[in-house]
Amino acid sequence: QQPVQSPQAVILREGEDAVINCSSSKALYSVHWYRQKHGEAPVFLMILLKGGEQKGHDKISASFNEKKQQSSLYLTASQLSYSGTYFCGTEGRTDKLIFGTGTRLQVFP
Amino acid sequence: DVKVTQSSRYLVKRTGEKVFLECVQDMDHENMFWYRQDPGLGLRLIYFSYDVKMKEKGDIPEGYSVSREKKERFSLILESASTNQTSMYLCASSLWERGGGELFFGEGSRLTVL
Repeated sequence: QQPVQSPQAVILREGEDAVINCSSSKALYSVHWYRQKHGEAPVFLMILLKGGEQKGHDKISASFNEKKQQSSLYLTASQLSYSGTYFCGTEGRTDKLIFGTGTRLQVFP
Repeated sequence: DVKVTQSSRYLVKRTGEKVFLECVQDMDHENMFWYRQDPGLGLRLIYFSYDVKMKEKGDIPEGYSVSREKKERFSLILESASTNQTSMYLCASSLWERGGGELFFGEGSRLTVL
């Protein structure tokens, strides 16, 4: 089952903050976050592991609530370069990485 | 630089044709994946492979098969293409790592089936 992302779309002005949420109906071992700019391949942002370890981007933060099977991506002081579609991917016991439907973020000057 | 190369960026095929989508990675990664991307549906996993000659079904394997004869190459095969397989196909690779290694994606192959 695909994780559910919210909101589906966000419009921001430069400098504003945004939060993107990802929730799953199953127990999770890890959550991945990727960003895809229009016409390009998705690019890795961050992995959050069960137990609290994080690996990834210095300027983007995220949280992982293991009990609620939820993760949130925090984009602070957004820049024009943050525009794109953000995907969360969740990994459970089966080791398959399953992606959500994406959140489209647009940042305007 | 890390690189995942998909052989064709754009393909146009006719219904019933056999289609091969090729993917090569130069990072000596154990894991390789094929995803399908459609508007509003995100990235859906078709098949993945943890080792040579090994394959596992993803969430939408129907109508597809895969081949991994060498570690660096993972092929997606549409035995008899249908119009509902018109889509963007993304290949990815990663190191074997519990908790998931970072996925490196190719630029995608946009397939149109007429």
